[in-house]
Amino acid sequence: SQELEQSPQSLIVQEGKNLTINCTSSKTLYGLYWYKQKYGEGLIFLMMLQKGGEEKSHEKITAKLDEKKQQSSLHITASQPSHAGIYLCGAASNFGNEKLTFGTGTRLTIIP
Amino acid sequence: DTAVSQTPKYLVTQMGNDKSIKCEQNLGHDTMYWYKQDSKKFLKIMFSYNNKELIINETVPNRFSPKSPDKAHLNLHINSLELGDSAVYFCASSQRWAGKKETQYFGPGTRLLVL
Repeated sequence: SQELEQSPQSLIVQEGKNLTINCTSSKTLYGLYWYKQKYGEGLIFLMMLQKGGEEKSHEKITAKLDEKKQQSSLHITASQPSHAGIYLCGAASNFGNEKLTFGTGTRLTIIP
Repeated sequence: DTAVSQTPKYLVTQMGNDKSIKCEQNLGHDTMYWYKQDSKKFLKIMFSYNNKELIINETVPNRFSPKSPDKAHLNLHINSLELGDSAVYFCASSQRWAGKKETQYFGPGTRLLVL
């Protein structure tokens, strides 16, 4: 079965600084989703990557899927308090998206 | 308007009781899911329904029984609750297209605490 490892597990960053979260898969990624979770809320969809080398950006968040399609990174530029939360990567199987396997999560804290 | 909604948001109950969690989506999706997030925040799929038909059942105890009365609803009934059932349960939905990957949209979660 596929396993996703996220690093770091937790991250404390000063407001305004850049940061990167990594997601490494034990198998080839056929679709990689990034979600953000705040306490007491559900998962908020951020981005989906499918092709090797693909890069997507939304506001100050950029996600990339490496060429070999076994790792993805999420980069936040000039972090803000609103970026705080738990970031989860989720992998779809090569047959469809019925089953998402999630990573271990990265807890991001932004300090003023 | 809430896209994927769950009730209740919090559920505190005694061991051995039977409880249900409800989920509704107004996105017009044909596939719905139940996920369980444990105390370590590890999120794992439990069930998936497509057009009211069960398509994924991930080694979940028989005490858990999902029911989908229609495409927009997927309820989760849990019998004889155990301490280990304490977790956050998330409902999600997506539209299934052959050969295409569509985003799953999640509800706010139901926090279940079994005492």
